[in-house]
Amino acid sequence: GNSVTQMEGPVTLSEEAFLTINCTYTATGYPSLFWYVQYPGEGLQLLLKATKADDKGSNKGFEATYRKETTSFHLEKGSVQVSDSAVYFCALVAGGTSYGKLTFGQGTILTVHP
Amino acid sequence: GAGVSQSPRYKVAKRGQDVALRCDPISGHVSLFWYQQALGQGPEFLTYFQNEAQLDKSGLPSDRFFAERPEGSVSTLKIQRTQQEDSAVYLCASSSPGARYEQYFGPGTRLTVT
Repeated sequence: GNSVTQMEGPVTLSEEAFLTINCTYTATGYPSLFWYVQYPGEGLQLLLKATKADDKGSNKGFEATYRKETTSFHLEKGSVQVSDSAVYFCALVAGGTSYGKLTFGQGTILTVHP
Repeated sequence: GAGVSQSPRYKVAKRGQDVALRCDPISGHVSLFWYQQALGQGPEFLTYFQNEAQLDKSGLPSDRFFAERPEGSVSTLKIQRTQQEDSAVYLCASSSPGARYEQYFGPGTRLTVT
């Protein structure tokens, strides 16, 4: 079956630190990969996506590269801000799926201190 | 325009009661999804609608769970004879035909069964 594994949290960083949140997946076919973010008190929002191998998704200073050989989609940001404090979810849609049935990881809580 | 809305935002039910959770998707969005998010976990797929047709209900955990979207817009998730294990946040998401993998999530309904 399809599954997503994220690094255990919570992650606590100081402002301007470098962020990596690891994500690996198991899926049939060639999945599309996503990072969603949930800010306190808000709904899930799509942060970035990549639909084929070696694609890099980017948004708001965050980046993730679709690595088929390592089945990974790690999230990175060079300099985090307090406003990046949120829960981050890695997710996939299995290849060959005609609609966006998402399979999520368990989420990683990020807290950024001033 | 308005995003996905859900009501009620919070629901407390006594074990054995029936509940109905409502989702108003973004106008014009053909696809509608329901997910269940247990505390500290990522969302898990429940069911998918394309217009009024329920095309995938593979994630519904038991026959106590029922979802409908009779006119292809508003959707209702009904849980009969609620159990404590049904306590979770229920998320609704919608997407447009041109971007079927980009889902817009509502704020969720937090259901607590006592």
